[in-house]
Amino acid sequence: DTAVSQTPKYLVTQMGNDKSIKCEQNLGHDTMYWYKQDSKKFLKIMFSYNNKELIINETVPNRFSPKSPDKAHLNLHINSLELGDSAVYFCASSRGISQGRNEKLFFGSGTQLSVL
Amino acid sequence: KQEVTQIPAALSVPEGENLVLNCSFTDSAIYNLQWFRQDPGKGLTSLLLIQSSQREQTSGRLNASLDKSSGRSTLYIAASQPGDSATYLCAVRQRDFGNEKLTFGTGTRLTIIP
Repeated sequence: DTAVSQTPKYLVTQMGNDKSIKCEQNLGHDTMYWYKQDSKKFLKIMFSYNNKELIINETVPNRFSPKSPDKAHLNLHINSLELGDSAVYFCASSRGISQGRNEKLFFGSGTQLSVL
Repeated sequence: KQEVTQIPAALSVPEGENLVLNCSFTDSAIYNLQWFRQDPGKGLTSLLLIQSSQREQTSGRLNASLDKSSGRSTLYIAASQPGDSATYLCAVRQRDFGNEKLTFGTGTRLTIIP
């Protein structure tokens, strides 16, 4: 019973392609996130959704578009993939800002994206 | 802009020893600080969360301290075991241009030598 699950675990694709990464949480959390971990292992927030509403959108190219069909899912679609998009992408969730700020984040196991 | 630093980047210690991991941050206006562990090919697991009003938190062999005014936190691991080998990351939560987010450090890769 994985709390935060994301698929696929590995994604190898050619430059210029469009791909999606899916994320689902079964914790009943209100807030979901996408993080990018680069080759130097630095984790940086990309997006955050609270109850299907976008609340954080960092400086991320427009080619990245998150979609939240319901509060248990936050998918990441990437258009026109570039070499620099190669990284590990992590989905995470928390109970949400409405529950207070001191809520732990729960992470998925990551999707390793390799753009060739 | 918040910057979170973890030194050293890598640490190896013999099994059984106690050790301390360090985390420093530049902006002390934080809500809380979390310590995570990341195993190779896996996601992050939250270990401890210290609220800005707290000085420390303990869980089993782990003890995390927070000195907000000096922008420092430490993670103390007692009686280290090979299973403690992982990358440890700290992250601070704060308000940033109307949003709240976590800023992560680059991590310390810990190896416990049997």
